[in-house]
Amino acid sequence: ELKVEQNPLFLSMQEGKNYTIYCNYSTTSDRLYWYRQDPGKSLESLFVLLSNGAVKQEGRLMASLDTKARLSTLHITAAVHDLSATYFCAVDVYQGAQKLVFGQGTRLTINP
Amino acid sequence: EPEVTQTPSHQVTQMGQEVILRCVPISNHLYFYWYRQILGQKVEFLVSFYNNEISEKSEIFDDQFSVERPDGSNFTLKIRSTKLEDSAMYFCASSGTSLVNEQFFGPGTRLTVL
Repeated sequence: ELKVEQNPLFLSMQEGKNYTIYCNYSTTSDRLYWYRQDPGKSLESLFVLLSNGAVKQEGRLMASLDTKARLSTLHITAAVHDLSATYFCAVDVYQGAQKLVFGQGTRLTINP
Repeated sequence: EPEVTQTPSHQVTQMGQEVILRCVPISNHLYFYWYRQILGQKVEFLVSFYNNEISEKSEIFDDQFSVERPDGSNFTLKIRSTKLEDSAMYFCASSGTSLVNEQFFGPGTRLTVL
């Protein structure tokens, strides 16, 4: 059974600092997604990573995928308060039908 | 921009009652999904649906759950006899036919079972 683990689960940081969220998964997959969720809201797609070595950047967020290490990272550069949210990684498991297996989520709080 | 919609946004029901959660997927999408998220926890897969049949379901999706696409636009999740532990946010998602097959999520229905 596929397991997806994120760390840290809680992260409190100051504006202007850099930090990285890690997402490890236990079985072969070459598709990984990052989502953002604000309290009480739905899941907003941030990044789709489709191959080994994929790197995508949007503003202060950058995501990468290493399929050999079964690891994805979400790097935050010079954090701002607006980035406070919960971030989920999800691994695509295609076995005749697609389903996403989510990590536990990382609750990120950015303090002024 | 096309989006997945869900109704109602909040449903309160008594234990043992039947509920139907409704979703309208993005119009040219062919794959449909239900996920749930118990408060403060991770998002869990329930079921995927394609070509008018279930493609895959999780252990959570037992005989109390069913899905249907009754009219070519709506996609519904029915819980026959709700339990307290069914209280959660239920998200519908849909995806298209591209290789990326990115899933787009609706705003969710918060189900509260009393």
